[in-house]
Amino acid sequence: GAGVSQSPSNKVTEKGKDVELRCDPISGHTALYWYRQSLGQGLEFLIYFQGNSAPDKSGLPSDRFSAERTGGSVSTLTIQRTQQEDSAVYLCASSLANRNEQFFGPGTRLTVL
Amino acid sequence: GEDVEQSLFLSVREGDSSVINCTYTDSSSTYLYWYKQEPGAGLQLLTYIFSNMDMKQDQRLTVLLNKKDKHLSLRIADTQTGDSAIYFCAESINGGFKTIFGAGTRLFVKA
Repeated sequence: GAGVSQSPSNKVTEKGKDVELRCDPISGHTALYWYRQSLGQGLEFLIYFQGNSAPDKSGLPSDRFSAERTGGSVSTLTIQRTQQEDSAVYLCASSLANRNEQFFGPGTRLTVL
Repeated sequence: GEDVEQSLFLSVREGDSSVINCTYTDSSSTYLYWYKQEPGAGLQLLTYIFSNMDMKQDQRLTVLLNKKDKHLSLRIADTQTGDSAIYFCAESINGGFKTIFGAGTRLFVKA
């Protein structure tokens, strides 16, 4: 596609359930990033993938969060046993290797009741 | 640790200049960025500056970098109502891929 796409656009779940958020990066972009944007907060770095290198997971807030990137393209962010504080907009971005500009998707708004 | 700080709100009149300020902590930052987020839209890169530059100008945008004070600013000349958005300052660290964002400055432009 022409841009980064994310699905679903909105997700409402109950506390304790698991959720999966999907990101389709721009074709050919080797770097992929996940961020979390909470109300009134900046973008919180979660994880990034670069080619076949080990991902930088330093931003994941707890072991309930995990992400994978299959085949160097699509990525899935999984949150297990969701908590109300996980409610936020989860943004995905991709970029070409060694380039400065990250292209962002529209985000997934997660609401945990 | 890594941190980027910026004021949360700025209000200007249409036609005036806007100056959005940002401070960062990582002295090894290679690139510093300004992203714009319009209502209901994703973030888009506005401009960036390499850490060995002091200033970059791009049409109505002027970026100033004071590396000694770790201070970055974005000046928007002749601000228009269409400039109303949230502006995020960001720095790259660890060789360029990990990017730390500020909380964003919400710019209100009054007609």
